Amino acid sequence: EVQLVQSGAEVKKPGESLKISCKGSGYSFTTYWIGWVRQMPGKGLEWMGIINPGDSEARYSPSFQGQVTISADRSISTAYLQWSSLKASDTAMYYCARQGRITALAFDYWGQGTQVTVSS
Amino acid sequence: EIVLTQSPGTLSLSPGERATLSCRASQSVSSYYLAWYQQKPGQAPRLLMYGASTRATGIPDRFSGSGSGTDFTLTISRLEPEDFAVYYCQQYGSAPRTFGQGTKVEIK
Repeated sequence: EVQLVQSGAEVKKPGESLKISCKGSGYSFTTYWIGWVRQMPGKGLEWMGIINPGDSEARYSPSFQGQVTISADRSISTAYLQWSSLKASDTAMYYCARQGRITALAFDYWGQGTQVTVSS
Repeated sequence: EIVLTQSPGTLSLSPGERATLSCRASQSVSSYYLAWYQQKPGQAPRLLMYGASTRATGIPDRFSGSGSGTDFTLTISRLEPEDFAVYYCQQYGSAPRTFGQGTKVEIK
């Protein structure tokens, strides 16, 4: 069974750093790109970026380029989303999702989400 | 960047009724790269349709998708209680990949 399991909720202060994770199982982790999606409170979905765990090539939305870093450790089948200096506006639910192959590159499996709260 | 505009913002319908959701793109999108997702409160999104008109695994046939170019439609032929949710379209043919703002289907 394909599963993406994300790390738990985080409460941080502005200026702090953070790295959240997404562990894949039940499939060949290096064969499928993993994407990250932000959902701010009460708002819609925003595509942040995507990474190929096979070679760690990452691509970012211009809106998030330079604001976050997407990485992966294929030895433990885990993708990461990290911030070096959080802002209150980073408060959101963050989802990882697998980019399918037979689904014409749509996100076919999703993690359960990681709630990030940034507050002083 | 391709902007996807979904309409209406909210659709108020009764179980058994037909729902028609629209997704309009600011530029032409290859229909091969247009997807629809369903999100219920407190849950992650779920893939419904990809390639504009292909149902994802396990999606019932009351859901159908159509369209090409800049205009795409998701139709739910007869609403079941579990279909009341928010629906998002997404294009993934051009970078950056973008989502529409969502259509909420609520019980009337």
